[in-house]
Amino acid sequence: GENVEQHPSTLSVQEGDSAVIKCTYSDSASNYFPWYKQELGKRPQLIIDIRSNVGEKKDQRIAVTLNKTAKHFSLHITETQPEDSAVYFCAAIYGNNRLAFGKGNQVVVIP
Amino acid sequence: DVKVTQSSRYLVKRTGEKVFLECVQDMDHENMFWYRQDPGLGLRLIYFSYDVKMKEKGDIPEGYSVSREKKERFSLILESASTNQTSMYLCASSLPGGDGNTIYFGEGSWLTVV
Repeated sequence: GENVEQHPSTLSVQEGDSAVIKCTYSDSASNYFPWYKQELGKRPQLIIDIRSNVGEKKDQRIAVTLNKTAKHFSLHITETQPEDSAVYFCAAIYGNNRLAFGKGNQVVVIP
Repeated sequence: DVKVTQSSRYLVKRTGEKVFLECVQDMDHENMFWYRQDPGLGLRLIYFSYDVKMKEKGDIPEGYSVSREKKERFSLILESASTNQTSMYLCASSLPGGDGNTIYFGEGSWLTVV
């Protein structure tokens, strides 16, 4: 199956600074990479995703980049705000829409 | 708006009890999943189902079974609950396909086994 690793496990940033979370995956056949955000006590929700035919995708303050050769992808959050504080999970698809998730990254935005 | 509903949010069960966690989705999704979430371990797939009466083991199926009698409903069963099954359980659903369809999660069921 697919193995996804996520670094760092915890990230603290000053409000207004940028945050970057990196993930690596093992299965070169994976072609879909979503990012989920989970606020405290809530369900994980999709915030952005990228498919293997593009190298970058942006949605307002968040962006995702993909390097298929190196098998890694990253989430970038610019101009961080307190509401960005959450756990972020990266994932990679394998099989029939099965997702392998990373262990999660706790982002803390310091006001 | 997709809705995945887990009927039991918080449960406390005794060791050895049989536990049922129920999940219903209203988007006619073929795929349904059960994940377990533990601190530092992320989301781990227990079982998934890609059609009624079909099921496949995920990464950590030991101690669990599932039932999918109707398309909208996917149940997770702990035949004999143990303390190491204390965790948060997340149900999810999606359309099928290998190109990536959004997976939608329920609110989660917090299970404590004492």
